[in-house]
Amino acid sequence: GAVVSQHPSRVICKSGTSVKIECRSLDFQATTMFWYRQFPKQSLMLMATSNEGSKATYEQGVEKDKFLINHASLTLSTLTVTSAHPEDSSFYICSARRGGYNEQFFGPGTRLTVL
Amino acid sequence: AQSVTQLGSHVSVSEGALVLLRCNYSSSVPPYLFWYVQYPNQGLQLLLKYTSAATLVKGINGFEAEFKKSETSFHLTKPSAHMSDAAEYFCAVFRAGSYQLTFGKGTKLSVIP
Repeated sequence: GAVVSQHPSRVICKSGTSVKIECRSLDFQATTMFWYRQFPKQSLMLMATSNEGSKATYEQGVEKDKFLINHASLTLSTLTVTSAHPEDSSFYICSARRGGYNEQFFGPGTRLTVL
Repeated sequence: AQSVTQLGSHVSVSEGALVLLRCNYSSSVPPYLFWYVQYPNQGLQLLLKYTSAATLVKGINGFEAEFKKSETSFHLTKPSAHMSDAAEYFCAVFRAGSYQLTFGKGTKLSVIP
């Protein structure tokens, strides 16, 4: 149990377009979901934390108008990168916390390339 | 604030040799500590976690870690390295009062045949 999926796994888009990434908890209800970005050969940096039905809490320095997060249900959170630019190219990873568990379960990641 | 420091961005060991990946933590409260492994272009897989129970924690794939409060360390070990252990390893800690994770910078493990 505790499987998290992401879709798509890889996306290439043109500069100025918007891209939506989905994160789903497949076999549990996620009270909280987290979004990270990871640049090549670097660690994971937390972008935002979202609770179902609430506005996401963004980390300092993360533009909330550029990285829109929606957590509409207990099994789905989406990250939309608006007006993407080449510097937004990165590996985006989501994770989910299952109620009563003191750990996060990670998705497989989405590789975004902005041309 | 809670933080972790991983010593050594790259560690190379011979196949069959001991693996030791170092992690030191800084925390104002008893920490929850984690070790994750990441293979190229994949998400993170939990190896093991310390949640204030036993100080010696056994994880998957033969890995274990020992929580040492006196040394503020949580080093990851495996007695005998396998080629499949080659990956990036991250130490992480929960931020106080939350389930948000702060990660170390990672250590890339190479296994030499």
